[in-house]
Amino acid sequence: AQSVAQPEDQVNVAEGNPLTVKCTYSVSGNPYLFWYVQYPNRGLQFLLKYITGDNLVKGSYGFEAEFNKSQTSFHLKKPSALVSDSALYFCAVRRSYGNNRLAFGKGNQVVVIP
Amino acid sequence: GAGVSQSPSNKVTEKGKDVELRCDPISGHTALYWYRQSLGQGLEFLIYFQGNSAPDKSGLPSDRFSAERTGGSVSTLTIQRTQQEDSAVYLCASSLDVSGANVLTFGAGSRLTVL
Repeated sequence: AQSVAQPEDQVNVAEGNPLTVKCTYSVSGNPYLFWYVQYPNRGLQFLLKYITGDNLVKGSYGFEAEFNKSQTSFHLKKPSALVSDSALYFCAVRRSYGNNRLAFGKGNQVVVIP
Repeated sequence: GAGVSQSPSNKVTEKGKDVELRCDPISGHTALYWYRQSLGQGLEFLIYFQGNSAPDKSGLPSDRFSAERTGGSVSTLTIQRTQQEDSAVYLCASSLDVSGANVLTFGAGSRLTVL
């Protein structure tokens, strides 16, 4: 079954510094990969996805993620973090065929320090 | 509707009582998902429905949990004989279908507290 690992519980970064949130996955066959964000007291919102094509995917709010098949990773990045980026970030994976269950990681709390 | 609507937003119940949580997906979305979010546990898959196909119930944690989707639209998640470990936020999401590339749109969730 597909699964996601987000190894860090919390990521602290100073405002203006680069932000990276790590994600590795396990899935049979080719993956479809997603990042969602949950702001305080709000529902999960879609950020970006990788389906096929260019390994570097650009999404909402200046975020991007790079698919690395050999390392089975899909790290989320932002060149310059804002205080408003403080939120809970979830990586998710599903198979490109068959069972379409979307498996989420446990999430990473990002704290951007002014 | 404009988004995924869930009710109640908050539910406090006593151990042993039954609860029902409702989800109204986006109109036209044929796929509907239930997840559970517990502190430190991430999002735990519970069940998904796709059109008239048999639902994937493989994530339901016990036979106290059940879900149905009537008329291909509204879904109800029922938890019988609630236990304290059932306390969590229950999230519903919908998508156009279960095609792998489709994005899920989530509701705000139903926070369940079992005393």
